[in-house]
Amino acid sequence: DTGVSQDPRHKITKRGQNVTFRCDPISEHNRLYWYRQTLGQGPEFLTYFQNEAQLEKSRLLSDRFSAERPKGSFSTLEIQRTEQGDSAMYLCASSAQTGIGYTFGSGTRLTVV
Amino acid sequence: AQTVTQSQPEMSVQEAETVTLSCTYDTSESDYYLFWYKQPPSRQMILVIRQEAYKQQNATENRFSVNFQKAAKSFSLKISDSQLGDAAMYFCALTLIQGAQKLVFGQGTRLTINP
Repeated sequence: DTGVSQDPRHKITKRGQNVTFRCDPISEHNRLYWYRQTLGQGPEFLTYFQNEAQLEKSRLLSDRFSAERPKGSFSTLEIQRTEQGDSAMYLCASSAQTGIGYTFGSGTRLTVV
Repeated sequence: AQTVTQSQPEMSVQEAETVTLSCTYDTSESDYYLFWYKQPPSRQMILVIRQEAYKQQNATENRFSVNFQKAAKSFSLKISDSQLGDAAMYFCALTLIQGAQKLVFGQGTRLTINP
């Protein structure tokens, strides 16, 4: 395992378009988190999966956002009808069931023009 | 709800000197962990140090140490013998042991190392 992988690294899209990001966690980690980080700010929690179950969603996650983790492996985060306010870094992190420790991916930087 | 506050948007230090980054937090829970993360420009979040709230002893990792004051809800990071590679954004974060164990981050402190 080389850590948490996120794809793409950068995405530029026009307002109103749909985008999808992918996160591949560390294979032994059953917990997966998505965070959003705007410029100069700390990351904010978006959603959490334990295996394939989405157990918690932030109020930041509007109905234009949807996340999945089929089969409890990789996860996708889709944003429909993107708005300029969606421009941010989207970070994925994973952790094991036992212990408290997180591995972060390098993030996907979204720019909505 | 949990909150984390970093009141120093920017800090600078001379190479080889010592610098302390401040963090305060608020939670009504008793079982939690505190973290300091480093985020270099355009790179991923890296764990610097972790502190379990039930431990009275302050955590230490090589040149990095914390001053954990549980009653005051304060969690500062001391970097000794600062190196150029320490330049980055530093985030203080908290997670509860129960539930989703999601991280709540502060706003970050940008650390500059002057050669």
